[in-house]
Amino acid sequence: EVQLLESGGGLVQPGGSLRLSCAASGFIFSSYAMSWVRQAPGKGLEWVSAISGSGGSIYYADSVKGRFTISRDNSKNTLYLQMNSLRTEDTAVYYCGKAKQGVIISFDIWGQGTMVTVSS
Amino acid sequence: QSALTQPASVSGSLGQSITISCTGTSSDVGGYNYVSWYQQHPGKAPKLMIYEVSNRPSGVSNRFSGSKSGNTASLTISGLQAEDEADYYCSSYRSSGTLVFGGGTKLTVL
Repeated sequence: EVQLLESGGGLVQPGGSLRLSCAASGFIFSSYAMSWVRQAPGKGLEWVSAISGSGGSIYYADSVKGRFTISRDNSKNTLYLQMNSLRTEDTAVYYCGKAKQGVIISFDIWGQGTMVTVSS
Repeated sequence: QSALTQPASVSGSLGQSITISCTGTSSDVGGYNYVSWYQQHPGKAPKLMIYEVSNRPSGVSNRFSGSKSGNTASLTISGLQAEDEADYYCSSYRSSGTLVFGGGTKLTVL
């Protein structure tokens, strides 16, 4: 079964850091680009970052550029999102998504999400 | 990065058809055939319903269809069923090398 499982969310103070993980199974992880998408409470979806299958191409939304770093370990079938200098507006459920085609076009498999709360 | 424009809500009766619009610019919706649509039930992860404007992934009902004209894409759901009640989001690749979502549309089935 194709599956994505996020972990690493929690409560962090403004200015703090957190690293999210997304464990993949059921497909050839290295063959597919992956993305992070977030959803603030009661709000819509916001694309955050994407990485190609090899890790050689990386993209960020302006709202997180310079603060967040996406990476992947294809030997461990795991996607990461290192989040630094966190702000209250980063509070959201963070989903990882598997690209159906291309790098940042559409996502056919999603994880269940992990909640990140930035608050003092 | 401004979001694509969707109506906040639409409604339709069981068995009827509804259409949700998604308006962007020539830098996103109008410039690429990379519009996708997602369905999201409360507390659940999004589900891909349409990709590349009008293609349905395997397993998605043919009651769901997509189209595009100029800078506006549309999702049509025919033969409305109770389980179609959900939030729907469009997305598009943008020329800046990013992805942009619409604000979302809440579908109510009467």
